[in-house]
Amino acid sequence: AQTVTQSQPEMSVQEAETVTLSCTYDTSESDYYLFWYKQPPSRQMILVIRQEAYKQQNATENRFSVNFQKAAKSFSLKISDSQLGDAAMYFCAYRSARQGGSEKLVFGKGTKLTVNP
Amino acid sequence: GAVVSQHPSWVICKSGTSVKIECRSLDFQATTMFWYRQFPKQSLMLMATSNEGSKATYEQGVEKDKFLINHASLTLSTLTVTSAHPEDSSFYICSAKRAGQNYGYTFGSGTRLTVV
Repeated sequence: AQTVTQSQPEMSVQEAETVTLSCTYDTSESDYYLFWYKQPPSRQMILVIRQEAYKQQNATENRFSVNFQKAAKSFSLKISDSQLGDAAMYFCAYRSARQGGSEKLVFGKGTKLTVNP
Repeated sequence: GAVVSQHPSWVICKSGTSVKIECRSLDFQATTMFWYRQFPKQSLMLMATSNEGSKATYEQGVEKDKFLINHASLTLSTLTVTSAHPEDSSFYICSAKRAGQNYGYTFGSGTRLTVV
């Protein structure tokens, strides 16, 4: 079974600075998808960014980018120019892309990000 | 954008009663629904996966007779917590996936259930 590990229960960053959240995963599959979700205090899950494993190029969405290292099974999230609104729980998630495989998302335990003014 | 409406947002019920939580996809067809449970300051734990018109697939350790899931249409799935007990108090979240899309997971806003 696939597992997702987020080794940082909590992180903090100063407003306007950069922070990197770590995520590693374990899988025997070669094709899969990886996601970062944000859960603010409202508890609404919001997709931040996604990455297809077959793509070598790291995904980028405005101030959010990932460092995808397939061989190392690492998928870190970098938030640049941090804003107060970025404060939230961040969850890394994995989904198999195997034909006929499960479509469920496997989540890590999350990292609570605090942004200091 | 895709929207999933989840109701109620919070509910308090007495021990022994049943509670139904609804998730509706408002502007798309959700062929697959996922139901999660989230304890305070913890991650989302998948309870079950349901496909429209078929029985739900429950994760190991989840009592299917206690957590009844119905996915009768492409826009509606329900989770009924039967004979609720205080230990069932939790935050429940649904997620709907659109057919043919690999990343199309839309989450409901969650339901906080308190059993007294």
